[in-house]
Amino acid sequence: EPEVTQTPSHQVTQMGQEVILRCVPISNHLYFYWYRQILGQKVEFLVSFYNNEISEKSEIFDDQFSVERPDGSNFTLKIRSTKLEDSAMYFCASSTSGSGTGELFFGEGSRLTVL
Amino acid sequence: AQKVTQAQTEISVVEKEDVTLDCVYETRDTTYYLFWYKQPPSGELVFLIRRNSFDEQNEISGRYSWNFQKSTSSFNFTITASQVVDSAVYFCALSGLIIQGAQKLVFGQGTRLTINP
Repeated sequence: EPEVTQTPSHQVTQMGQEVILRCVPISNHLYFYWYRQILGQKVEFLVSFYNNEISEKSEIFDDQFSVERPDGSNFTLKIRSTKLEDSAMYFCASSTSGSGTGELFFGEGSRLTVL
Repeated sequence: AQKVTQAQTEISVVEKEDVTLDCVYETRDTTYYLFWYKQPPSGELVFLIRRNSFDEQNEISGRYSWNFQKSTSSFNFTITASQVVDSAVYFCALSGLIIQGAQKLVFGQGTRLTINP
């Protein structure tokens, strides 16, 4: 069964460092997403990406965050200068449809710990 | 604004008991989608079901069943004859119909379900 894969599974970084989280969405999917889950809290939408551009972003997704699809298969989330409050599980997801009719397939998550 | 409320923070039952997880949602959209996801201790999000706002028919899948009631804005999830492997955090989520855009899921706070042997 096709799946969304994420790397790394866990990253520890120092505050102020740049972090790149990588995702390989399912190959025929057109919509890509990042969600975040702070430990013990609910999952929150960060950003959606379609046709090589951001289609929607949340208030959380400030100038410190960026996304990119550099080579047609990978989908990355970059945090330029990490803060303690960026510590969370980051989930990548993809879907065939953006209209709500397509199931969102989530990856297993990348846990980011900022010290 | 869209909102999902899962009032039950934690539920603990003994194996083989039936358990119902509540989900209440708020939306002004006439077309929307409701979801349930399971998050086992390993952390991934596992899709369980998607239901659109025009389909109020209840659904059963094995030991799982879902009761969608627009009149009360609820989408409850029942596990019958629970098993230890059902122990997880369960999230209810809501997505509006977005034309020419990507769907954004709004999640509830989750219900931590513990099934004791």
